[in-house]
Amino acid sequence: GDSVTQMEGPVTLSEEAFLTINCTYTATGYPSLFWYVQYPGEGLQLLLKATKADDKGSNKGFEATYRKETTSFHLEKGSVQVSDSAVYFCALSGLTGGGNKLTFGTGTQLKVEL
Amino acid sequence: EAGVAQSPRYKIIEKRQSVAFWCNPISGHATLYWYQQILGQGPKLLIQFQNNGVVDDSQLPKDRFSAERLKGVDSTLKIQPAKLEDSAVYLCASSWQGSDTQYFGPGTRLTVL
Repeated sequence: GDSVTQMEGPVTLSEEAFLTINCTYTATGYPSLFWYVQYPGEGLQLLLKATKADDKGSNKGFEATYRKETTSFHLEKGSVQVSDSAVYFCALSGLTGGGNKLTFGTGTQLKVEL
Repeated sequence: EAGVAQSPRYKIIEKRQSVAFWCNPISGHATLYWYQQILGQGPKLLIQFQNNGVVDDSQLPKDRFSAERLKGVDSTLKIQPAKLEDSAVYLCASSWQGSDTQYFGPGTRLTVL
């Protein structure tokens, strides 16, 4: 079945550091790929998505490229801020019984310090 | 536009009690999802509705969990009786029909003592 593997956290960075959170997936067909962010006490917010190979999703300085050859969708940001501290989830969308089901990774907690 | 609404935000019950959660999706979204997020894990799909019909409930523990979406808008998820392992955040999400982009509510944090 479909699965998503993320790097374990927590990841602790200093403000303005470069961020990479690794994500690889296993899926049948050609799923859409997503990054969601969850701030403390809140629900998941869509951060970015990519729908086909070589697509780059981007939002708020974050970006990720759909790499079919390596089945990866790594999240990157050039300069993180304290406000980026949150849990980041990689996910893929697969068909199920006529609908779209999201399969999530376990999440990676990011802590950004001054 | 208003987002996905859920209530209550927090609930504490004792094992073997019953509990119900409510979700109001984004206006016009035909597809509604309930996910269970156990601490330290990613959300897992429990059930998916298309309008008022069930599309996928293969991961719903049907001996104790039930869900309905009678008029194709609001939905309720019920647990009866609750077990300790049901402690989790229950997330509701919605999407346009046929879209793979889901929008999540703030969740209901359930603690079973």
